[in-house]
Amino acid sequence: GAGVSQSPSNKVTEKGKDVELRCDPISGHTALYWYRQSLGQGLEFLIYFQGNSAPDKSGLPSDRFSAERTGGSVSTLTIQRTQQEDSAVYLCASSLDGLGGYTFGSGTRLTVV
Amino acid sequence: DAKTTQPPSMDCAEGRAANLPCNHSTISGNEYVYWYRQIHSQGPQYIIHGLKNNETNEMASLIITEDRKSSTLILPHATLRDTAVYYCSCGGRSGAGSYQLTFGKGTKLSVIP
Repeated sequence: GAGVSQSPSNKVTEKGKDVELRCDPISGHTALYWYRQSLGQGLEFLIYFQGNSAPDKSGLPSDRFSAERTGGSVSTLTIQRTQQEDSAVYLCASSLDGLGGYTFGSGTRLTVV
Repeated sequence: DAKTTQPPSMDCAEGRAANLPCNHSTISGNEYVYWYRQIHSQGPQYIIHGLKNNETNEMASLIITEDRKSSTLILPHATLRDTAVYYCSCGGRSGAGSYQLTFGKGTKLSVIP
């Protein structure tokens, strides 16, 4: 596609529920990143996928967070047993070469009530 | 990754040059300097990056000091559409092999008519 697509754009969920956030990267981009942005804060790195290599999960804040990337393309970020502190905008980015010139999606705004 | 320091906010008159500073005194030799901007409710947009030479593209110019401890992003003729939060970041390979960018809180640039 022309850009990085994320869905849904907004998600409101009850505390304790599981949520899945989807990212469609730019076709042909081998690197895919998930970041989180809390209100008024900078971007917090969560996880990185590069081709067939093992993902870098060093930024995931707890074992309630997981992500997968199927077929080297679409990625899903799953948050289990959501908490109010998980409320944030979750941003996906892709890169052709795994270096820093990312293209970001518009994000998913998650609100846990 | 090197930590970056930016002023929280700046104003610029429309049509004038906007000069956005960034300190990155702990930058390592193989880290690039990246600049992104984020307009409200959108994902960050890549602007420019550089290693040690000054760089220019259709959006902006990047001036990096000789010691690489600071840089300045220059928007030569700021327009109202340039009002955004501007992030300076230094990128390098993490221990797990991913190329991570660390984003701080950025500079909120307001272009004044």
